[in-house]
Order: sequence, then structure tokens, then C-alpha cells
Amino acid sequence: DIQMTQSPSTLSASVGDRVTITCRASQSISSWLAWYQQKPGKAPKLLIYKASSLESGVPSRFSGSGSGTEFTLTISSLQPDDFATYYCQQYNSYSLTFGGGTKVEIK
Amino acid sequence: QVQLVESGGGVVQPGGSLRLSCAASGFTFSSYGMHWVRQAPGKGLEWVAFIRYDGSNKYYADSVKGRFTISRDNSKNTLYLQMNSLRAEDTAVYYCAKGHSSWYPDWFDPWGQGTLVTVSS
Repeated sequence: DIQMTQSPSTLSASVGDRVTITCRASQSISSWLAWYQQKPGKAPKLLIYKASSLESGVPSRFSGSGSGTEFTLTISSLQPDDFATYYCQQYNSYSLTFGGGTKVEIK
Repeated sequence: QVQLVESGGGVVQPGGSLRLSCAASGFTFSSYGMHWVRQAPGKGLEWVAFIRYDGSNKYYADSVKGRFTISRDNSKNTLYLQMNSLRAEDTAVYYCAKGHSSWYPDWFDPWGQGTLVTVSS
């Protein structure tokens, strides 16, 4: 299986900060990567697919980039609603895998 | 709007069985691949299984292969997960999720609210 490694596992930031989360794949996955946001007690929500395509309805402060084995999710100006856990997910193979998650906390 | 509602969770003893259901509405269910994803308490997300739009092909995580079976009834707009030989490590919230593609397991959007399965004696 393709292993997905996210960093950092926890991130402390303030409202208005620019935040970057990194996701690394154990082998090349081209651009077959999605990002999700999950709040406590809720189901995950799709933010980004195909590494950089913004899901409809998702604020433009979220952006994704990368290809091959290294990807980033950037929040350009952190808002109070953005404090949550973020997961990357690869779909390059028939066995889908997630990163371990990055919790974005209030500083 | 798209809605996915899971049911069937509960407490089961190790070695026991349980069947989860996911009722879909708001889209043409028979045109999309569907997934099950789980999340153990306080842990991350783990993909469990995928089924193509017509049920012709199914894919499983190694951790559940041979024990879990994904199926669908397109006439009832319902997805199922039959779970046998349950273990303590299967304890999790189980989500059903709609795929983007009809035939290839890609991303999940949207997700249901989840149903909790607890395996304990």
C-alpha cells in the first residue's frame, strides 16, 4: 500500500495566519490526491481533489498544490471556522490510504 | 441535496456479525461508486471498501478482506456492509461516502453522519 505521511501532526496558529500542511506519498501518485477537513463529532468534508482543484463551495483561502510525492494544503488567512483536523488521501491505487491528520489549534 | 444516512451500528461481541446500511437520496445512486470508511475512537481515517456503480467489482482494505462484504441494491438506493468475525480493532465510526467516479475508487464526497460499531465482550 502507498503510505501517506502528513506534517506537522499538530499546528498552533492565530486567526489571520498563513498555514501550510504537507503530505508526502511513499511513491509517486501523480496528482491523485484529495484533502478533507474534519471537525469534532462530524464527518469529514472534501476541500480539494486532484491535488489542486477546489471543491465547489469551499472558500478560496484554501488551496492545494504538488504532484508526484509531495503536496501541500495552504490556508491563506486562517479563520475561526478553520480550526479542525485536516487529512490528505491518495487514490492512485485501488487501495486508498489517508495521511495521519494535522490538527490545527488556536494559538 | 445529496444525503447519506447510515444505520445498523451497535455493540457486538468479538467473533460476531453486524450488517450496516446506508440509505442514499438526492442523486442517481445507480450511477456512482460507493465507499465505506471508518474511524476508530480518537484515531484517523481508514478506507474500508469500494463497490462499483453496478456492483460488478469490489475492493477492500487488507485489514477487512475475507471478513467484510460490501454490496448494494440499486432498486432500493441502499449500500450495505456485512461484517463478520468482528474483532476489537474493528471498533469505529463507520461512514458511507459517495465516490466521484462510477467505476474507480477516487475521492469521497459527501459523507454520511456515521454509525458507531463497538466490538466488546
